[in-house]
Amino acid sequence: AQSVTQLGSHVSVSEGALVLLRCNYSSSVPPYLFWYVQYPNQGLQLLLKYTSAATLVKGINGFEAEFKKSETSFHLTKPSAHMSDAAEYFCAVSDTGANSKLTFGKGITLSVRP
Amino acid sequence: GAVVSQHPSWVICKSGTSVKIECRSLDFQATTMFWYRQFPKQSLMLMATSNEGSKATYEQGVEKDKFLINHASLTLSTLTVTSAHPEDSSFYICSAGLASSYNEQFFGPGTRLTVL
Repeated sequence: AQSVTQLGSHVSVSEGALVLLRCNYSSSVPPYLFWYVQYPNQGLQLLLKYTSAATLVKGINGFEAEFKKSETSFHLTKPSAHMSDAAEYFCAVSDTGANSKLTFGKGITLSVRP
Repeated sequence: GAVVSQHPSWVICKSGTSVKIECRSLDFQATTMFWYRQFPKQSLMLMATSNEGSKATYEQGVEKDKFLINHASLTLSTLTVTSAHPEDSSFYICSAGLASSYNEQFFGPGTRLTVL
């Protein structure tokens, strides 16, 4: 069975500082990996996805993530945080079969201090 | 592209009544739709997976007679919460998937259900 671990529940950074949100996965085969963002009382929006092409994936809003098979990690980074980045972030994994379901991590709340 | 809508965005109902939530893919045909439930400050919990024209596949612990799912077409799935009780109050989110999109799911904006 696949699983996702997002350590910690809350990350706080200053505006302009580096954002690093960690995600580790467990899967018997190389999976597809996703980062989604959720603003209060809204659905989820895809930030980026890894689909076994490039290991460094660039997404929207300046976010990127690097797939590291040896570390079973897919950490999300952004060089300079904006106030608008404050939200809930979810890492998710699926296997590569068609229409496979997503398994989500428990999420991390990102706060950005002025 | 790949927009998913949900209706209603919020609903308040009395205990014992049934509530129907619609999920539509507006600009694409979804091979599969998913229904999630999310409690405050928690992650998404998959309730069921549905494919057009076939019975939904429910996750373990989800009562299929209480949460009725109908996937009438490639663009519409509905979730009916039957005989709702206050413990059913939650944020319900649907998503639609495309087999050609590496299992990416496109999420609706969610429906806030409050049962009095």
